Amino acid sequence: DAMVIQNPRYQVTQFGKPVTLSCSQTLNHNVMYWYQQKSSQAPKLLFHYYDKDFNNEADTPDNFQSRRPNTSFCFLDIRSPGLGDAAMYLCATSRVEQGGYQPQHFGDGTRLSIL
Amino acid sequence: SQKIEQNSEALNIQEGKTATLTCNYTNYSPAYLQWYRQDPGRGPVFLLLIRENEKEKRKERLKVTFDTTLKQSLFHITASQPADSATYLCALHLRGGGATNKLIFGTGTLLAVQP
Repeated sequence: DAMVIQNPRYQVTQFGKPVTLSCSQTLNHNVMYWYQQKSSQAPKLLFHYYDKDFNNEADTPDNFQSRRPNTSFCFLDIRSPGLGDAAMYLCATSRVEQGGYQPQHFGDGTRLSIL
Repeated sequence: SQKIEQNSEALNIQEGKTATLTCNYTNYSPAYLQWYRQDPGRGPVFLLLIRENEKEKRKERLKVTFDTTLKQSLFHITASQPADSATYLCALHLRGGGATNKLIFGTGTLLAVQP
């Protein structure tokens, strides 16, 4: 089945140690998003790629970076994780096309813990 | 300030009854409103989308209403089942939000259907 896959499902890292989360999709969608979701809170958009164009949200800390080497893959890099970065990180995709609107398809997330 | 509010308290209902969840927003002008379901430890799953010029949308046991004057959407699940127990998120796609389907999510309402 076509889907959005996030690896790993659980990631533990040390305070200040860089970490990379990955997302792949078989939907051939042109937009990929990264969200941060803390317990009982709304998913918060960090940034998204429209094809190769990177769009950062104004309040996303510089500590968070992203790469999209091709249509299928997108990575979230946290350069120096702090305790406040412990959260579920969700990847989503969508197809943007003229005259239509498509919902977002989510992966099951990576739960990041910081020691 | 801009806000999306959903019932912060969990909604407990008896199997077979209709569940009604509320989404209120302030200082937004959404072009579309969507509802997603999120199970514990999983990513959100798209359920329904309603446009600003639509009053009501139905899909099987689900019904969504959208009142842009009241700035409110109601989400109904008829003949509820224990399997409907989950967190339900509303999300706004803003007019002029660009061509990338960016969404702003509410914090969600936890629905518990008792057998």
